[in-house]
Amino acid sequence: GAVVSQHPSWVICKSGTSVKIECRSLDFQATTMFWYRQFPKQSLMLMATSNEGSKATYEQGVEKDKFLINHASLTLSTLTVTSAHPEDSSFYICSAIRDSGGFFGQGTRLTVV
Amino acid sequence: QKEVEQDPGPLSVPEGAIVSLNCTYSNSAFQYFMWYRQYSRKGPELLMYTYSSGNKEDGRFTAQVDKSSKYISLFIRDSQPSDSATYLCAMSGNTGGFKTIFGAGTRLFVKA
Repeated sequence: GAVVSQHPSWVICKSGTSVKIECRSLDFQATTMFWYRQFPKQSLMLMATSNEGSKATYEQGVEKDKFLINHASLTLSTLTVTSAHPEDSSFYICSAIRDSGGFFGQGTRLTVV
Repeated sequence: QKEVEQDPGPLSVPEGAIVSLNCTYSNSAFQYFMWYRQYSRKGPELLMYTYSSGNKEDGRFTAQVDKSSKYISLFIRDSQPSDSATYLCAMSGNTGGFKTIFGAGTRLFVKA
């Protein structure tokens, strides 16, 4: 069964609004989670590393003020896309590591209209 | 040079064939090696997870890691049309909180 749950699985929003995506680790604690972005027919690009109780670490070129990450507990990390624009439309995926490997959420398809 | 190199394909094989998928990498600090399968519009699904060098078998899937050559492989025996998907290799080390780096993914088509 799933070990990482991501919600929502898809969302459509208007330009200028904000969207929050949740990533939960099920039955294990994840001090670190990762957020990825994937464009059609491309591989996953790491956006940021989410650390429980501290600030996220962003990859080069990722705007931290636009993609707000909050890792408030050992089982929950959230990614908020602020002031979304059509170019933010993409597939966003979170992952968490446990001893048996890295597991991904179902992904969230964001469409900004 | 990318940290992880993977031929994007596409790779097309007949049903029942043995499929070989490969990745090379440059970072000798990588210790954890994974293969994921991703269907269109879905999140990646972990297939195989290997620590350090060696082989690991799970059903029709076999993963091989050769750290000396910085080369990993995934073999699929008796391939089925349902195996048609994109296969991504991934690897991580002990630094950076196990930050995982992915290959570009290989698109596989298994023809009935």
